[in-house]
Order: sequence, then C-alpha cells, then structure tokens
Amino acid sequence: QKEVEQNSGPLSVPEGAIASLNCTYSDRGSQSFFWYRQYSGKSPELIMSIYSNGDKEDGRFTAQLNKASQYVSLLIRDSQPSDSATYLCAVNLRGNEKLTFGTGTRLTIIP
Amino acid sequence: NAGVMQNPRHLVRRRGQEARLRCSPVKGHSHVYWYRQLPEEGLKFMVYLQKENIIDESGMPKERFSAEFPKEGPSILRIQQVVRGDSAAYFCASSQSTLEKAFFGQGTRLTVV
Repeated sequence: QKEVEQNSGPLSVPEGAIASLNCTYSDRGSQSFFWYRQYSGKSPELIMSIYSNGDKEDGRFTAQLNKASQYVSLLIRDSQPSDSATYLCAVNLRGNEKLTFGTGTRLTIIP
Repeated sequence: NAGVMQNPRHLVRRRGQEARLRCSPVKGHSHVYWYRQLPEEGLKFMVYLQKENIIDESGMPKERFSAEFPKEGPSILRIQQVVRGDSAAYFCASSQSTLEKAFFGQGTRLTVV
C-alpha cells in the first residue's frame, strides 16, 4: 500500500457541479493533512489544511477528514474552469517528519 | 513579506557539469524540504533539513546529490556530474514546524543537455 494514495484521474466535472477528490493514507496516527493545487508548469499552491476530524470550509472549498477510515477529501462547489488543475494530497505521517505527497488527481472542469 | 524564493528559475547544464540550486525559505521558517518532479509525475521527496542539520535524506540519491542549510544563507541542493536523467523541476518548500503548512517556491527547471 502506498503511504498516500490518490486516484490519478483524469476527473471531469461539468462547470457549476461539485468536484470530489479523495485521498487515503497508510498511518492511522497521522496528524496533519493538506491539499495543494498545481497548475501545469507551476508550483504547488496550498489551498486547505485540516488537522481534526470533520469538515473545514473555506469559500468554495471543503476539506473532510475521517481518521478512523484514514481518508481525507476535498470538495469544490460551483466548479469553475479555473479550477482545472492537479490536486495534491499531502500528509505528515506519524513518526515521519517529511510531508508525503500523493501522486495527484488531474481535474478538468468542462464549460 | 516574501515567500519561498528559489533561483535560478531555469538552469541548463551540460552532462558532467555541476548544478547548484538555491532556496531561501519564508522568513522565520527553519524547516526546508526539497522535492523533484518529472513531467506529468508527482512530487518525489528528496531531503528535509533544519538549520545546519539534515533530518531525512531518504529520497536523495546517495551519489552526486548533496544538500545543506547553513546557519546563514539559503539552502543549497547540489548535483554533481549531472546526467540527462536529472532533468526535472526541483521544488523547495519551507514551514515553521513539521506539522505546520509548507509553502513552495516557484521551482528550478533543470535541463541537462
């Protein structure tokens, strides 16, 4: 099992719909979880961080964390073409001081 | 309030030359991470440093690659005797602590010809 796993996609979502991105991780004791957005040819940009179970909302973005099931998800409401990018899940695995990334999910919003 | 600064943005080296990549973290951040990204691939961890210490270099090839983060000055990722396979984007990120959010620089695109 990979330490941090994401479906590589591509995921296509119509404009205005909800895009749902999922990530699972291997270590139940992990404490910090992050979502980054990366446009083609650009550097990753932090969009959400979450540390405790439940939902965290920021504008059109909602991060959801379920430590018992070891998954973290990102919902994007009212999807816009500008949301088309690769979304990277990152986890600070317990006992491991580096930030471990999934391979990313490529999201395309269809106008 | 500058973010993570990396230079150069683009670097071209001939096979066998040395590449030196620099990263200045966000002011006040003492944790620096280096990642490598090949086209259409994910971020691969290389090395994690705190001031004057290498904490985890498990992702860095044992030969030709080295990294440092001195007490004063930027973090440096050094690649000796570059080969074509070293061509990639190299990203640096910094954070205040291992549990805090990390911010990325713009990256250095290394091309080996």
